[in-house]
Amino acid sequence: EAGVVQSPRYKIIEKKQPVAFWCNPISGHNTLYWYRQNLGQGPELLIRYENEEAVDDSQLPKDRFSAERLKGVDSTLKIQPAELGDSAVYLCASSSQGLAGVLPDTQYFGPGTRLTVL
Amino acid sequence: SQQGEEDPQALSIQEGENATMNCSYKTSINNLQWYRQNSGRGLVHLILIRSNEREKHSGRLRVTLDTSKKSSSLLITASRAADTASYFCATDKNTGRRALTFGSGTRLQVQP
Repeated sequence: EAGVVQSPRYKIIEKKQPVAFWCNPISGHNTLYWYRQNLGQGPELLIRYENEEAVDDSQLPKDRFSAERLKGVDSTLKIQPAELGDSAVYLCASSSQGLAGVLPDTQYFGPGTRLTVL
Repeated sequence: SQQGEEDPQALSIQEGENATMNCSYKTSINNLQWYRQNSGRGLVHLILIRSNEREKHSGRLRVTLDTSKKSSSLLITASRAADTASYFCATDKNTGRRALTFGSGTRLQVQP
């Protein structure tokens, strides 16, 4: 079974440029997460989707970040314009549908996209 | 913000020795999970312990949870060079916001 796929693996851009990351979750996983991981830190949730619906985007900096999950499968995370402080690894994870009102136990992570903003 | 804080931040041991990592958290939780991250890779789920459990085993892993102290420990027995990685605890907080909150991790180096 294929795991979570992310692309690109690495991206180097100049500040003020736009950038987009793509994620393909594990087949059949309804829940998709985008995390940001700064160097030497643990991941921090940016947004969580249940199917097509963004059910938790409270930590997403909405002035420059946007995300979409069309058709409830693949997802794209965009930054426009990028700032120096956006340099980080952006991780996508997916999980199966949990019981109503219960967070699924296990999240499966992709390898991440390492973004460097110059 | 980080919910869990791992201790120590870094740990270096010899192959065959045991490695113990600790995690403290601040709010009540539904469960606590441990993940491993190899350099340049995504996170891999290791083990989950629920708030009503005190100890759990999985192979060479042993996790304990003390909800009164809001702390957990991960013990890796008979460590191997392949165990070299960063280890993160993650809490599923008992709030309306259903999301995992990760700590800052312990970087484990196992010397062959």
